[in-house]
Parts: sequence; structure tokens; C-alpha cells
Amino acid sequence: DGGITQSPKYLFRKEGQNVTLSCEQNLNHDAMYWYRQDPGQGLRLIYYSQIVNDFQKGDIAEGYSVSREKKESFPLTVTSAQKNPTAFYLCASSPQTGVGYTFGSGTRLTVV
Amino acid sequence: DQQVKQNSPSLSVQEGRISILNCDYTNSMFDYFLWYKKYPAEGPTFLISISSIKDKNEDGRFTVFLNKSAKHLSLHIVPSQPGDSAVYFCAAVMEYGNKLVFGAGTILRVKS
Repeated sequence: DGGITQSPKYLFRKEGQNVTLSCEQNLNHDAMYWYRQDPGQGLRLIYYSQIVNDFQKGDIAEGYSVSREKKESFPLTVTSAQKNPTAFYLCASSPQTGVGYTFGSGTRLTVV
Repeated sequence: DQQVKQNSPSLSVQEGRISILNCDYTNSMFDYFLWYKKYPAEGPTFLISISSIKDKNEDGRFTVFLNKSAKHLSLHIVPSQPGDSAVYFCAAVMEYGNKLVFGAGTILRVKS
């Protein structure tokens, strides 16, 4: 079955450490996205990528970095520069930009 | 600047009754709208969508209405079931657009 996989489901990080969240899809989708969910704020776009080796900043990109070396993979690094990293992170993909998103099951990141 | 607004953070409905979730948008360039449903600790799943050339789209118990002049859309669930209890996100995209813009979400609780 095709789908989008995020790992790990739960992640704990010490303050000052970088951490990378994995996102893999086998849907042959061109576009991939990272969102962050905080209570009462909905889904906010961090980064998105329309094609391999290309990505754009979303609304809240500060303190995050991404890469898109393969069509299937779009890892997100939460750096120590991100002031409030504790959140639920969602990865999504779509066959063309803006239509028919498929979401992963999310990663809950907690800074301890 | 929130381009997609869901002004009701939560809604409580009795089982069997109608649930009406509302969404307003400010950008007249949006021409495709979607509703997603999300359970805790899971990714959102697509529910129903509507193009701006239509004013209604129906899928089983779910109907979405679009009022372009008022820049307003609503999701009707009839009859509501306890399994419908979830967070519902409204999203919008521009034609040939590059990303979905999400509202803050509405928590629906269906009481049995």
C-alpha cells in the first residue's frame, strides 16, 4: 500500500541539540510539505518542496532546515535556533502542488 | 494575517443531530477548498472538497456549501455520530497554487 511514513512517532530532545524528523513517501508525489501543529493555531507551514533539490520556506521556517535529495524523502531538522520546538509535526505530500494532500501520522517532539 | 479562519474553536452536538462547521476566508484568489478531519496523535485525512465554480458538494453524510460572495464555506454532517468527534480543518488553495492554507481547526464533540 502506498503511503507516507513519519518516524519516530515520539521524540525527546535536550535543549541545544539538533534533531531530524524523517518523512518518506512511496506515492510518487512530486510535492512534499512540513507543518507544525500547536493548540489553537492549526497547521502552520514550515517548508515545502515542489521538486527534488528544490524547497521553499513556509510561514515559520526560522530554526528549521530541510533537504530534498530524493523524491521519496523530505527530512526536517529542528535546530537549536528554534525557540519553541515542542510541537506535533506533520509531513504531507501531493501529486501536484496544492491538491490532494496525504498526511503522515505525525511526530510529537518534546524538548526536555 | 490569517487568510482562512475558523472562528469556533469547538462545537458540541448530540448524536443524530446536524453538525455545522464554519470557515471564512479573505483571499478572493482561493478557488478550491477542502475539509480535513484529524484525530489526536494522527495525521489529518481528507474529507471533502469543493471547487469555486460550485456552491455545494455532497458525499454521504457530509455536505460542503460555498458562498463566494460572502467568502464563507460550511461543512454539514448529518446525522452526526460519536465517531465524527475530531478536529476539523478547513483549507484553501489558489488555482495553480503552491500550498494549502489551513484554518485553526474546530474541535467537534458528538455526544451519545
